[in-house]
Amino acid sequence: AQRVTQPEKLLSVFKGAPVELKCNYSYSGSPELFWYVQYSRQRLQLLLRHISRESIKGFTADLNKGETSFHLKKPFAQEEDSAMYYCALTHNAGNMLTFGGGTRLMVKP
Amino acid sequence: GAGVSQTPSNKVTEKGKYVELRCDPISGHTALYWYRQSLGQGPEFLIYFQGTGAADDSGLPNDRFFAVRPEGSVSTLKIQRTERGDSAMYLCASSGDYNEQFFGPGTRLTVL
Repeated sequence: AQRVTQPEKLLSVFKGAPVELKCNYSYSGSPELFWYVQYSRQRLQLLLRHISRESIKGFTADLNKGETSFHLKKPFAQEEDSAMYYCALTHNAGNMLTFGGGTRLMVKP
Repeated sequence: GAGVSQTPSNKVTEKGKYVELRCDPISGHTALYWYRQSLGQGPEFLIYFQGTGAADDSGLPNDRFFAVRPEGSVSTLKIQRTERGDSAMYLCASSGDYNEQFFGPGTRLTVL
């Protein structure tokens, strides 16, 4: 069975500091990996997906199949990045998402 | 355009009662998903519809939970004989051609 682990419940950094939100997964096939974000009082929304290989709001994530990781990174955190971040994976059959437990990112001024 | 909507936004009920939660997906989206999110956890998959049929209901916790999508659009999640452990945020998502799931605001269910 697939599993997604986000080891940090809370990550607190100062504005301008680098950020790395960790995500590890277990899955026997070739999953598709995502990062979802939920800003305060807003709905869950897609931030980025590994197949797009793009940078969104300065965030990037690289799929490392050897380490089964998909860590989310940003070189310089901004206060507006404060939110809940969820790593998720899906497989081709149905595309239902398996989520990690989430990491709350707090960017302090 | 309009996103996924869910009603009610909040539902408080008593243990043992029956509840229905409604999801209106984005127009034209054929796939619809229900998830449940308990406090401090990530969303957990419940059931997935492709059109009118439930393609995968492996996430439903027991037979008290049931969902329908009779016309391939609106879906209703039904919970019989509610228990306090059913208290959670219930999220609905829909997706179209590119498999990106768009989430609704959720229904917060509280069972007293």
